[in-house]
Amino acid sequence: EVQLVESGGGLVQPGGSLRLSCAASGFSFRSYYMHWVRQAPGKGLVWVSRINSDGSSTSYADSVKGRFTISRDNAKNTLYLQMNSLRAEDTAVYYCARASEYTYDYWGQGTLVTVSS
Amino acid sequence: QSALTQPASVSGSPGQSITISCTGTSSDVGSYNLVSWYQQHPGKAPKLMIYEGSERPSGVSNRFSGSKSGNTASLTISGLQAEDEAHYYCCSYGGSSTWVFGGGTKLTVL
Repeated sequence: EVQLVESGGGLVQPGGSLRLSCAASGFSFRSYYMHWVRQAPGKGLVWVSRINSDGSSTSYADSVKGRFTISRDNAKNTLYLQMNSLRAEDTAVYYCARASEYTYDYWGQGTLVTVSS
Repeated sequence: QSALTQPASVSGSPGQSITISCTGTSSDVGSYNLVSWYQQHPGKAPKLMIYEGSERPSGVSNRFSGSKSGNTASLTISGLQAEDEAHYYCCSYGGSSTWVFGGGTKLTVL
């Protein structure tokens, strides 16, 4: 069974940093592209970032470019999102999602990040 | 990377059909047959319902169908059931390794 379990969310002050993790199991993690998608409270889904299967290629939404870094450790079956210079508008539930071609076929349950003083 | 445009809400009675539109541009929806649709119940993770415009994953009811015309994709749900009440989001590949979601549509089953 495919499982994606996010962790690392919490309360952080504006300007602070946080690293999210997504532990994958039940499939060959190293074979899949992975994404982060976020959802602000009461709002819609927003694509954040993507990483290819071996970690050599990444892409970001303009709103997080230069502040967030996506990475992965295929030996640990884990996806990461390093978030720096956090702003109030980054407050959201962050989902990791497995990409099958250009589609998200499995999602984690999400981890809440709250940026507030 | 502007969000795709979806109606904020749609509604229908049990047994009826509804269609949710998703309008993008010639740079995203219009350029690729790579629109997917996701269903999200409150407090839950999204679930894939349609991919590549009109393909249905295994396990998804054939009451759900997708199509595309120009820069607009559509999700049709026939034979509405109470459990279909949820938010629905479209998503398209936007080129240059970027993706874009729609703002979401709340479906109410009357």
